[in-house]
Amino acid sequence: DVKVTQSSRYLVKRTGEKVFLECVQDMDHENMFWYRQDPGLGLRLIYFSYDVKMKEKGDIPEGYSVSREKKERFSLILESASTNQTSMYLCASTDYSGGIYNEQFFGPGTRLTVL
Amino acid sequence: DQQVKQNSPSLSVQEGRISILNCDYTNSMFDYFLWYKKYPAEGPTFLISISSIKDKNEDGRFTVFLNKSAKHLSLHIVPSQPGDSAVYFCAADYQGGKLIFGQGTELSVKP
Repeated sequence: DVKVTQSSRYLVKRTGEKVFLECVQDMDHENMFWYRQDPGLGLRLIYFSYDVKMKEKGDIPEGYSVSREKKERFSLILESASTNQTSMYLCASTDYSGGIYNEQFFGPGTRLTVL
Repeated sequence: DQQVKQNSPSLSVQEGRISILNCDYTNSMFDYFLWYKKYPAEGPTFLISISSIKDKNEDGRFTVFLNKSAKHLSLHIVPSQPGDSAVYFCAADYQGGKLIFGQGTELSVKP
C-alpha cells in the first residue's frame, strides 16, 4: 500500500520566516509533486520533480523552492513566508513513465498559517 | 486561465438518488482525465479515470462519461450514499504526468 507522509499536519509561522515542508514516499516513485489547495481554486501545482536533484516549476512557483536530495524525499521551502502563502499544502507521488498514466498518490496535507 | 473548470461549487443529493458532477476543459490535447475525492483534513484519493480514446468508464457505483466534442466530462454516482459526501476534483493530464485540477465540487448526500 502506497504511503505518502508529510512532516506536519498543522503549522503556524510568522511573516518572514523560512519554512520547510517535508514529504516522504515509500513506493520508490520517481515523480513527486507539491500542490497548494485554496477554496475556489482547486489544487495548483507549485513544483515537481522527475528524479533526484531534478526539479521543474509548476504553475505557481513564485516564493517557493524545492529540494530533492533522495528519491523518497521532496521538500518544499518558503524562503520568506508571507500571509498569502497561508494554505493547505499537498504532496503527491507517482510512477508515471513512457506514456502510461499512473495515478498520483497524495499525502494528508499540511495546513500552514502565516501570521 | 482555468483550463479545467467545475462550475458548480456544491451539490446536494438525497441518499439513493443519482449524483452527477460536471467538468469542462478547454485544451483538446489533454489525453487522460481523472476524478479524485477529498475528505476534510485528508489528501485526495483517486476515484476513477478515463482515457481520451474512450467515452465511458465504469467502476461499481461510479461511471465517468467523456464527450470530447463538447470538451465535457461527468461523474455519475448511483446510488448515492452519505459516505460519498466529500469534495470531488476532476483533473486532466498534460505534459506527461502533470495534472491540472478543477476547482472542486462539494457533494452532500443527505439521508
